[in-house]
Amino acid sequence: EPEVTQTPSHQVTQMGQEVILRCVPISNHLYFYWYRQILGQKVEFLVSFYNNEISEKSEIFDDQFSVERPDGSNFTLKIRSTKLEDSAMYFCASSAAQPSNQPQHFGDGTRLSIL
Amino acid sequence: AQKITQTQPGMFVQEKEAVTLDCTYDTSDPSYGLFWYKQPSSGEMIFLIYQGSYDQQNATEGRYSLNFQKARKSANLVISASQLGDSAMYFCAMRGRNRDDKIIFGKGTRLHILP
Repeated sequence: EPEVTQTPSHQVTQMGQEVILRCVPISNHLYFYWYRQILGQKVEFLVSFYNNEISEKSEIFDDQFSVERPDGSNFTLKIRSTKLEDSAMYFCASSAAQPSNQPQHFGDGTRLSIL
Repeated sequence: AQKITQTQPGMFVQEKEAVTLDCTYDTSDPSYGLFWYKQPSSGEMIFLIYQGSYDQQNATEGRYSLNFQKARKSANLVISASQLGDSAMYFCAMRGRNRDDKIIFGKGTRLHILP
């Protein structure tokens, strides 16, 4: 069964450094998302992406965050200058265009640790 | 605004028994989708089951069924014949009327299956 792939599985970064989290969504999917889950808390929406542009973003997704689909397969989340509170599990998700009851399929996540 | 409420932070259930995980929701959208995801200790998010707001029948997927009571705005997950491998965090989630809408998650219920 096709799946969403995220790399790396764990990223350790010094505070203030830039980090790029990578995702390969399921190949025929058209909608892409990033979510994050701070340890022990619920999953929070960051951003959705469709037709090469952001369709919605949350208040968490400030100017330090950006997303990109540089080619036909990758979908990346960049954090420009990381803060301690960015430490979390980051999930990429994708969903198909049809039918409307398609779930969002999640990757296994990237655990980001900011030192 | 949409909201998901899971009132059971943790549950202990004997192996082979059925278990019901509670979920209530609030939305003003006439059309919406409800999901359940499983998160094992390894961290990945696994889609379990989907219920559309206009679906006439309750969704079932193998040992999982969704007890959808629209008037009560509840979408409880029922796991029949529980297994040790069912021990995990379970999240109830909702998506709005549009296919590219974000998913909002409840706080989750941690299920422990006892041998």
